[in-house]
Amino acid sequence: DAKTTQPNSMESNEEEPVHLPCNHSTISGTDYIHWYRQLPSQGPEYVIHGLTSNVNNRMASLAIAEDRKSSTLILHRATLRDAAVYYCILISLMNRDDKIIFGKGTRLHILP
Amino acid sequence: NAGVMQNPRHLVRRRGQEARLRCSPMKGHSHVYWYRQLPEEGLKFMVYLQKENIIDESGMPKERFSAEFPKEGPSILRIQQVVRGDSAAYFCASSPRRTDTYEQYFGPGTRLTVT
Repeated sequence: DAKTTQPNSMESNEEEPVHLPCNHSTISGTDYIHWYRQLPSQGPEYVIHGLTSNVNNRMASLAIAEDRKSSTLILHRATLRDAAVYYCILISLMNRDDKIIFGKGTRLHILP
Repeated sequence: NAGVMQNPRHLVRRRGQEARLRCSPMKGHSHVYWYRQLPEEGLKFMVYLQKENIIDESGMPKERFSAEFPKEGPSILRIQQVVRGDSAAYFCASSPRRTDTYEQYFGPGTRLTVT
């Protein structure tokens, strides 16, 4: 599986936008970029995914660089409930393995 | 539609006892995955099952651990003769099938403490 690189931690003020970066320079053409997050004492939850185009959903936006070697998860207006570990994950549909390989993720702290 | 259910949420076992962790996938989901999260560490894949079949157990320790997903009933992760190093949060996830979204739905986890 292609690897991703994320900052260990980030801080943001409440009600401000948050941009969480992810580098994936060895991404292949069939790799989808997925984001999951894990709130304290809970299981991970799916946030968003994309292939080439930018994506929006009710939780966040995903901005994908034109060369696909990096992406950014955007929380438009962070709340205290968004404090979590955010994982950027590449998943290839050409790979028969369906397991998710979690890295260390980015621990997001939200300051009130 | 109820989410993935895991029970018990907390389990305390003495060294040498057996631990049984149960996972009920979301309705209509036939794929189940187990992950382990050791204290202050990331999530590690353990095993991937479909109904009555183990598809990938590459993350399972070679001894004492086993998993099943019978035709009827929940998936079970079984740890025999537990040791202190087994203390961790065990998460189960389910998905309906391979789709282009490849989204896994995670349960709340079972926190196993071995004393």
